[in-house]
Amino acid sequence: NAGVTQTPKFRILKIGQSMTLQCTQDMNHNYMYWYRQDPGMGLKLIYYSVGAGITDKGEVPNGYNVSRSTTEDFPLRLELAAPSQTSVYFCASSLAGVVNEQYFGPGTRLTVT
Amino acid sequence: GNSVTQMEGPVTLSEEAFLTINCTYTATGYPSLFWYVQYPGEGLQLLLKATKADDKGSNKGFEATYRKETTSFHLEKGSVQVSDSAVYFCALSDKGQGAQKLVFGQGTRLTINP
Repeated sequence: NAGVTQTPKFRILKIGQSMTLQCTQDMNHNYMYWYRQDPGMGLKLIYYSVGAGITDKGEVPNGYNVSRSTTEDFPLRLELAAPSQTSVYFCASSLAGVVNEQYFGPGTRLTVT
Repeated sequence: GNSVTQMEGPVTLSEEAFLTINCTYTATGYPSLFWYVQYPGEGLQLLLKATKADDKGSNKGFEATYRKETTSFHLEKGSVQVSDSAVYFCALSDKGQGAQKLVFGQGTRLTINP
């Protein structure tokens, strides 16, 4: 199993551009999550999904959109990139249940200039 | 709201030293508690967890005990190695319905010198 994979690894965007961060998991997990990690800070939840076709906002959803058309894929869309979205983005997945381990991808480092 | 506070870093120790990284939490109810570790250039990995008061989580020589009376979940290791150098995150998860929405502390960077 590859686990959770994310593409791209690095990206530089200009202010106002758009992009999609890709996330795929091959563990047949129902739950998937997107976090951002700012320097010296913990991770903050952007969006999550409990299954195909079902998504919900986390703590910091503004400026982002998600979709979940399949169990495996959970892309994160940035519209009109802003410098405040410069961060490292992590995708994660887990089985259902609040005590189960979340499996994280390697992250995407995004810079908006 | 729920929150997690970790000791300020960075922490630098010599190999074979004793490690403690403090973590306290604020939550309604009785959350599950986790320590995740992030090695350089990688995503987070679960290190250990505890789901109820007085539970002790342990893995790879690390231990943490869920202390309800002090709302704490301090991470300890008796003898650290260079390979333990990483960023450590304490996190909690509400025992509610639906998805596991982890709340993370800010992370503590640990460097072990040979």
